[in-house]
Amino acid sequence: AAGVIQSPRHLIKEKRETATLKCYPIPRHDTVYWYQQGPGQDPQFLISFYEKMQSDKGSIPDRFSAQQFSDYHSELNMSSLELGDSALYFCASSHRGTHEQYFGPGTRLTVT
Amino acid sequence: AQTVTQSQPEMSVQEAETVTLSCTYDTSESNYYLFWYKQPPSRQMILVIRQEAYKQQNATENRFSVNFQKAAKSFSLKISDSQLGDTAMYFCAFMKHGFSGDTNAGKSTFGDGTTLTVKP
Repeated sequence: AAGVIQSPRHLIKEKRETATLKCYPIPRHDTVYWYQQGPGQDPQFLISFYEKMQSDKGSIPDRFSAQQFSDYHSELNMSSLELGDSALYFCASSHRGTHEQYFGPGTRLTVT
Repeated sequence: AQTVTQSQPEMSVQEAETVTLSCTYDTSESNYYLFWYKQPPSRQMILVIRQEAYKQQNATENRFSVNFQKAAKSFSLKISDSQLGDTAMYFCAFMKHGFSGDTNAGKSTFGDGTTLTVKP
């Protein structure tokens, strides 16, 4: 069965650079969630989209922005990167009403 | 706001034995979902089991079962016949009921996790 795809899987950036993470949900899933998991921490909700509209927002820094496109894939844009942004970034997708989120493999971002 | 608490940072169990991981939560919502996720060293987040709050019957998935006590806001995970492959971090998570697009519905709130080691 198709799963959530995230790219890239690993990313190394320097401070103050910009990064773009991509998420391709499971086919027919219309909702995308982004989570950030720091080292030794639990995942923290960042933002979600339903039908290309932002549906909820969590602890996402103003330096980050995201959107969902017409094909339902989503991109998380991160600017002015800081060392503290180093984390595993998960994307999850679901279909309206199912309440089962399927997680992608994550993108490991390292900021040096 | 919801909170999820896992009071056991680390646990270990002998292969083939049974282990129970604890989770408590706090919410004012009456309709919600609870999940257990497994995160092995690969860091992939894998759904283990799901419980709908309106169902009194405890969910079961093969060797995994839960003890859901709604009044006590407790949601423990029992792993029977533990296997070496069960070694992982386990997260308990809460999700408010709602539909995609509803504020606060759908996003998960996670506990701090319990690291489980299965010993041969």
